[in-house]
Amino acid sequence: DAGVIQSPRHEVTEMGQEVTLRCKPISGHNSLFWYRQTMMRGLELLIYFNNNVPIDDSGMPEDRFSAKMPNASFSTLKIQPSEPRDSAVYFCASSPRDRGYEQYFGPGTRLTVT
Amino acid sequence: AQSVTQLDSHVSVSEGTPVLLRCNYSSSYSPSLFWYVQHPNKGLQLLLKYTSAATLVKGINGFEAEFKKSETSFHLTKPSAHMSDAAEYFCVVTFTGGGNKLTFGTGTQLKVEL
Repeated sequence: DAGVIQSPRHEVTEMGQEVTLRCKPISGHNSLFWYRQTMMRGLELLIYFNNNVPIDDSGMPEDRFSAKMPNASFSTLKIQPSEPRDSAVYFCASSPRDRGYEQYFGPGTRLTVT
Repeated sequence: AQSVTQLDSHVSVSEGTPVLLRCNYSSSYSPSLFWYVQHPNKGLQLLLKYTSAATLVKGINGFEAEFKKSETSFHLTKPSAHMSDAAEYFCVVTFTGGGNKLTFGTGTQLKVEL
């Protein structure tokens, strides 16, 4: 099993640029989650999808953030324009049907906005 | 509303001695409780789960936790620490009907010394 795959692993960009983070969930899982982790705020749920449909996006900080899941095997998190305060590690996780608590995390994308 | 409180941000033990990581929860409904572990520069991994079955739950790597409703606690223990246990541990709560939304504690950093 390949596990949850995220790309890129590291991203350094300048303020104002667009950033796209990518995630491939585990095959057969029907829920996908995007989290952000910082020292100050800990681990925050940004958005999650069930069967490719966004269910709860209340954690998305503002309109600069958007997430899509065009099919069961791919999701993106986009930040446009990026700001230094967006610097964090972004995790994608997926979970199997009926076991939404059993989340499998990817290795994360470390984003630095200068 | 639901929340978890991890009582110690840092715990340090000697290799071979017992580990105790404390967690208290608050939930308006019957909770499901979990411990996740995060090794440096890695994603989170499910360590163990309580979902209203046996109150003493065994997880991977010799860890276990006991659900105590009267004390609203779900402390994580291990009889003998190993150097490879050094990581950050998160206590997590959700509840039936809460969808797939997990509420994470702030984490406890476990240090294991020789």
